Amino acid sequence: TQLLEQSPQFLSIQEGENLTVYCNSSSVFSSLQWYRQEPGEGPVLLVTVVTGGEVKKLKRLTFQFGDARKDSSLHITAAQPGDTGLYLCAGVAGNQFYFGTGTSLTVIP
Amino acid sequence: NAGVMQNPRHLVRRRGQEARLRCSPMKGHSHVYWYRQLPEEGLKFMVYLQKENIIDESGMPKERFSAEFPKEGPSILRIQQVVRGDSAAYFCASSRRLLAGGYTGELFFGEGSRLTVL
Repeated sequence: TQLLEQSPQFLSIQEGENLTVYCNSSSVFSSLQWYRQEPGEGPVLLVTVVTGGEVKKLKRLTFQFGDARKDSSLHITAAQPGDTGLYLCAGVAGNQFYFGTGTSLTVIP
Repeated sequence: NAGVMQNPRHLVRRRGQEARLRCSPMKGHSHVYWYRQLPEEGLKFMVYLQKENIIDESGMPKERFSAEFPKEGPSILRIQQVVRGDSAAYFCASSRRLLAGGYTGELFFGEGSRLTVL
């Protein structure tokens, strides 16, 4: 079983601050995805990174895939209350999706 | 175009009863995954199915749990003789057939079924 550790597990910040969430594994993945989950709902895909070293930007969110394709980071600039949620990374190997331990983010207005 | 449909959304069972959770994947999707989630935690993989086939059930407990995805109808996750430790949210996700060459599909999740065992 591929294990993905996310850090921090919980994060509470003020609106306007920046933050970074990390997703680390000892396993290599063909690609890595980030999902966001709001209370009472299922996760929703934010991004997929495929190439080692790849960086993708979605407005205030920047995603990076490690060179060795074992780890990834999510950076949020100027966080807003609407960013509050559970962020999950998922490593993809074959037809399998292995989810990380999750980072619960709270952005305080 | 309906998304992944799960029912029931909430289910309460007493210890020893059976729980049946149903999942209808998105139209055109032939891959179904079941995950279990405890509050504020990540998703723990349980089972991966394609139509009429269990592809990977390495995350399923050996006893009391079973899953199926018949040719017709929804996928079903069945928990027999439930215990308090089975209380959790169970999520179903579906995806299309994954393409070759490293292309990764997207998992589309249902809203989950929350099981409470009294």
